[in-house]
Amino acid sequence: DTAVSQTPKYLVTQMGNDKSIKCEQNLGHDTMYWYKQDSKKFLKIMFSYNNKELIINETVPNRFSPKSPDKAHLNLHINSLELGDSAVYFCASSRKMGDRGYSGANVLTFGAGSRLTVL
Amino acid sequence: SQQGEEDPQALSIQEGENATMNCSYKTSINNLQWYRQNSGRGLVHLILIRSNEREKHSGRLRVTLDTSKKSSSLLITASRAADTASYFCATDSGGSNYKLTFGKGTLLTVNP
Repeated sequence: DTAVSQTPKYLVTQMGNDKSIKCEQNLGHDTMYWYKQDSKKFLKIMFSYNNKELIINETVPNRFSPKSPDKAHLNLHINSLELGDSAVYFCASSRKMGDRGYSGANVLTFGAGSRLTVL
Repeated sequence: SQQGEEDPQALSIQEGENATMNCSYKTSINNLQWYRQNSGRGLVHLILIRSNEREKHSGRLRVTLDTSKKSSSLLITASRAADTASYFCATDSGGSNYKLTFGKGTLLTVNP
């Protein structure tokens, strides 16, 4: 069973298009994330949701809109795609300290990534 | 500001040798974690060290943490070709968001 699954794995599209990436986790975690990894492998957090509530929103263009219909799903919609959006987008989940009495550390489980190429 | 900067950026060794990667960070932390990323895959958690710990072991991995120098090192002993991957440190500064901030990673190549 895949713990954190994201689709599609590859996405090739033209500038100006709108696209979505979906993520689902079956770990029962309360917190989910989107990270962007650029061509130099630098990982930058974009968003985080805890139990469907947005808790981290880094400096990301408002063309990016996350949506969490329930705590097991976190989707990322991107409007008006630009060349600079080309990257690998990773979904992750964790049990955050404080979630239902959890006192452990915030350890992330990542999906396999979605490689977005904007032409 | 970016937390967790690893060095070296790339490291190439022979199988059986030890590999040491370093990570420096800027602000106080709750814990520091190391992750591995195989080519084309997601990151996998390896080991976590808390701010009140100085050293931790897990199998062939040894992590040290020096909070006075704001640095950590990851040692992989008796490396194998399968250890070839990028290794990232990630700092957890605590606070209400418990955001993990990743460094740029060290690409380790273990030659058979």
